Amino acid sequence: GQQVMQIPQYQHVQEGEDFTTYCNSSTTLSNIQWYKQRPGGHPVFLIQLVKSGEVKKQKRLTFQFGEAKKNSSLHITATQTTDVGTYFCAGLTTDSWGKFQFGAGTQVVVTP
Amino acid sequence: DTAVSQTPKYLVTQMGNDKSIKCEQNLGHDTMYWYKQDSKKFLKIMFSYNNKELIINETVPNRFSPKSPDKAHLNLHINSLELGDSAVYFCASSQDHPASRGETQYFGPGTRLLVL
Repeated sequence: GQQVMQIPQYQHVQEGEDFTTYCNSSTTLSNIQWYKQRPGGHPVFLIQLVKSGEVKKQKRLTFQFGEAKKNSSLHITATQTTDVGTYFCAGLTTDSWGKFQFGAGTQVVVTP
Repeated sequence: DTAVSQTPKYLVTQMGNDKSIKCEQNLGHDTMYWYKQDSKKFLKIMFSYNNKELIINETVPNRFSPKSPDKAHLNLHINSLELGDSAVYFCASSQDHPASRGETQYFGPGTRLLVL
């Protein structure tokens, strides 16, 4: 079946550094969403990408959707301690009702 | 004024018991979901309902039975609880079903279930 893979699983970052998390699907996606879950919290929507090759920015976060709509990335610049949490991508399948397949998440730890 | 609420927040119970988790959303959304997040933080969809109608039913044991009395509520009843059911269960809602526009999902705070 369709799978969404996310790497890396863990990311230790020094405050001020940049990092990227990647999301890959075995099949073409209708769109992709990114969520952030703080420790002990619940997933919170960050952004949705719909078009092939789309790039969106939110302050220090840059989201990209691949040309083939099978992969996506989230790049964070100048990491801050507030960036701690798990970042999930969720790919929307192309079947009739659609369902979101979540990646396993990238757990980000920031050291001051 | 919480958008998506779940009760209880924590649930500790013995193997073999039956328990229910309740979810309510006050966003006026048509679609609601149940997700299970295991100890490795993997989020897996279990069910989704659109206007009280079951849309998605993943390969979940039939010990799990969702019920949607109205479109603002989606409850989850679990029979004969097993150790492997221990997880965090998240309810979520979206304006419409995902295929229409890839709707943003709003998650509840989660119910931490521990089966002993």
